[in-house]
Amino acid sequence: QKEVEQNSGPLSVPEGAIASLNCTYSDRGSQSFFWYRQYSGKSPELIMSIYSNGDKEDGRFTAQLNKASQYVSLLIRDSQPSDSATYLCAVPGTGGFKTIFGAGTRLFVKA
Amino acid sequence: DVKVTQSSRYLVKRTGEKVFLECVQDMDHENMFWYRQDPGLGLRLIYFSYDVKMKEKGDIPEGYSVSREKKERFSLILESASTNQTSMYLCASSFNRDSRTGETQYFGPGTRLLVL
Repeated sequence: QKEVEQNSGPLSVPEGAIASLNCTYSDRGSQSFFWYRQYSGKSPELIMSIYSNGDKEDGRFTAQLNKASQYVSLLIRDSQPSDSATYLCAVPGTGGFKTIFGAGTRLFVKA
Repeated sequence: DVKVTQSSRYLVKRTGEKVFLECVQDMDHENMFWYRQDPGLGLRLIYFSYDVKMKEKGDIPEGYSVSREKKERFSLILESASTNQTSMYLCASSFNRDSRTGETQYFGPGTRLLVL
């Protein structure tokens, strides 16, 4: 059974700082990784996906993947109070087109 | 614009009642999923379907069943609701292009179910 581990937090950062969210996964064969954001009372939405080792940038968000160490991280630069949410890391499940989600890290950005 | 809708945002039912939760997607996705989400436990997969009339058990199928008679609609059924089924229920859908790399899941707004 594939597993995805995240620190549940909460992670608290001041406005304008860099927020760093980390995720480790158990299956060395995983080929793609997803970060979803979930606001309180809302459903998850995809913000980043990454398939290759290294960094992928999209605006203020950077996903970093290190397959050798089996971790993936999400950096949020210039954090805003509107970034306060739970961030879920996810990997594809074994066959069947499922997705395995981590339990999520709660982020608070203080104004 | 991508759209997944769920029949109710909030639902209150009595123990022992049969409960139907409906999900509809307008993106022509092959895959549809039902999750429940509880504090501290994250998203847990109940059932999923990769085609019309096809279904597979997820991690916590006990006490639930599903129906997919049409591609766009996936129903979750609580045969006899119990208080431990009080939860947030999320439906999601995705394309079926590549099981190795996975596909983005698009979620509905969720149904918060309270079983008394």
